[in-house]
Amino acid sequence: DGGITQSPKYLFRKEGQNVTLSCEQNLNHDAMYWYRQDPGQGLRLIYYSQIVNDFQKGDIAEGYSVSREKKESFPLTVTSAQKNPTAFYLCASSVNQETQYFGPGTRLLVL
Amino acid sequence: GESVGLHLPTLSVQEGDNSIINCAYSNSASDYFIWYKQESGKGPQFIIDIRSNMDKRQGQRVTVLLNKTVKHLSLQIAATQPGDSAVYFCAELPPGSDYKLSFGAGTTVTVRA
Repeated sequence: DGGITQSPKYLFRKEGQNVTLSCEQNLNHDAMYWYRQDPGQGLRLIYYSQIVNDFQKGDIAEGYSVSREKKESFPLTVTSAQKNPTAFYLCASSVNQETQYFGPGTRLLVL
Repeated sequence: GESVGLHLPTLSVQEGDNSIINCAYSNSASDYFIWYKQESGKGPQFIIDIRSNMDKRQGQRVTVLLNKTVKHLSLQIAATQPGDSAVYFCAELPPGSDYKLSFGAGTTVTVRA
């Protein structure tokens, strides 16, 4: 069963805490992306990776970090430097860097 | 039902009618466009795509039209069903963007029984 999985579905962050969102794909896609979605707004790109061991900042990278040690995995860490982390986080992957396929999302809430 | 103008945030459609969702894109040199459907609390789902060398492309119950003259993209859904209720948004791939898609804010479609 191929696809993109994200975990957890809901995540709670305490003040000053770093949290990591998981994204895994078994589609053999080279490119992977992280987006943030706020109510009533379009998707905003946080980080993207076109190939293993390489990644670039998107439009709103401050307060976030990523790694791409394996082709299938692209975890996103929301650091304590991100002062407004409450949002819906979406991971996507692409085989041709055009059509992107999305995971089910992780909703991050601040306690 | 039809959304007109640059972009309407909501569209209400009677079940069985055809829906037309509009999108104005920003870069006249963009050569690839996608429509996504996003149901509440879920990730966006790919619907259909089109390249700039085409004016029209059809899928199952959906048609995408591209008017490059006025930088306008539309998604037509035939015989709208309750399961079509969702947020629909378009995305364009501008040249020189390092393959980064640019997404619109979306139109919320509500199907009335």
